[in-house]
Amino acid sequence: DTGVSQDPRHKITKRGQNVTFRCDPISEHNRLYWYRQTLGQGPEFLTYFQNEAQLEKSRLLSDRFSAERPKGSFSTLEIQRTEQGDSAMYLCASSLALGDTQYFGPGTRLTVL
Amino acid sequence: EDKVVQSPLSLVVHEGDTVTLNCSYEVTNFRSLLWYKQEKKAPTFLFMLTSSGIEKKSGRLSSILDKKELFSILNITATQTGDSAIYLCAGIASGTYKYIFGTGTRLKVLA
Repeated sequence: DTGVSQDPRHKITKRGQNVTFRCDPISEHNRLYWYRQTLGQGPEFLTYFQNEAQLEKSRLLSDRFSAERPKGSFSTLEIQRTEQGDSAMYLCASSLALGDTQYFGPGTRLTVL
Repeated sequence: EDKVVQSPLSLVVHEGDTVTLNCSYEVTNFRSLLWYKQEKKAPTFLFMLTSSGIEKKSGRLSSILDKKELFSILNITATQTGDSAIYLCAGIASGTYKYIFGTGTRLKVLA
């Protein structure tokens, strides 16, 4: 399967804990995006990488959130000191070029108790 | 602020029916509109529409964009239970990478 993959698929954590999610984009795609989706809503943009450079962060991304893409391939999204409001599906997408179709991974569903 | 609005929010039909899903947008420097289908997992790509008035088709699904009136429709003919899903549309502006998604239309097709 050469699509976008994410790990883990589900994560349950207690409030205050740190969590880290991983995204492996389609191999030839140099653009990678993170979105967050809550129940009944469409995905909301969080951040964007072109290769290893993080070019944009949404104001939704508080200082408890950090994302990296150290080698321009996989990316990680870390949430520190999780809150119940962080419970959501975290989606990763990748594309070949700016404005191209973004292909989404299966998502990581986070539940903060 | 850029926004995308979808209607209806939910729809229940019977197999064989034809449905039309609506998406209106207000996106600065609009470039393209995309339709995705989302089941219990990540959105899967259906169509990207950039030119006005040109219908895109894929099997029983078709979509068209009206850049003058700032909307798009997604038609599904002869619906099947496997069409049950949330249908998302997203707008994208020139020179950007952020998709602005609507809240989706939840379609349920009854056997």
